[in-house]
Amino acid sequence: GESVGLHLPTLSVQEGDNSIINCAYSNSASDYFIWYKQESGKGPQFIIDIRSNMDKRQGQRVTVLLNKTVKHLSLQIAATQPGDSAVYFCAENNTDTDKLIFGTGTRLQVFP
Amino acid sequence: KAGVTQTPRYLIKTRGQQVTLSCSPISGHRSVSWYQQTPGQGLQFLFEYFSETQRNKGNFPGRFSGRQFSNSRSEMNVSTLELGDSALYLCASSLATGLMDEQYFGPGTRLTVT
Repeated sequence: GESVGLHLPTLSVQEGDNSIINCAYSNSASDYFIWYKQESGKGPQFIIDIRSNMDKRQGQRVTVLLNKTVKHLSLQIAATQPGDSAVYFCAENNTDTDKLIFGTGTRLQVFP
Repeated sequence: KAGVTQTPRYLIKTRGQQVTLSCSPISGHRSVSWYQQTPGQGLQFLFEYFSETQRNKGNFPGRFSGRQFSNSRSEMNVSTLELGDSALYLCASSLATGLMDEQYFGPGTRLTVT
């Protein structure tokens, strides 16, 4: 498959454990945030989003936390599974520019 | 429903040549965005098309251009290729414009410039 990043920070977790992936965003005017998952050979896949008027949003096995004070976003994955192994990107949208700005990504490796 | 398709999946070109990449959005989607993904720069926005009009543009030189057809299919063109243009080019489609509308990505076209 294609490599999406040769020098990405990597998080290694044991199957069944919880994973926390962090992201610092750059623009205090950003008001919408998205987490994407990218598996080898595939395009990014939407996981969960959050608007700036919220500080927490939950999905199926995933939770996104937003701390606007320190411009920090995190993705929590509960009971991590081998199928969760991928590169995870956060993205921020500033409605002034209406462009998605992606973070550099974190590689999640799940071992048995 | 079929996903976003991109052709070709892999392409090798030499410096100075030009290339055209194609993207077919999900049926019913009218917005198509293009991104360049490289190990060094990550995912960067190229441009967005909606109803055959370029709605938004990233910070790329004029060698990068695109268009959208009446059936929402989109092409992007890169002229006078440089080694640094080697990348995975991704397109994403959404129902409407505005980035709060969920984008669905294709698998990408891997362009290698030699």
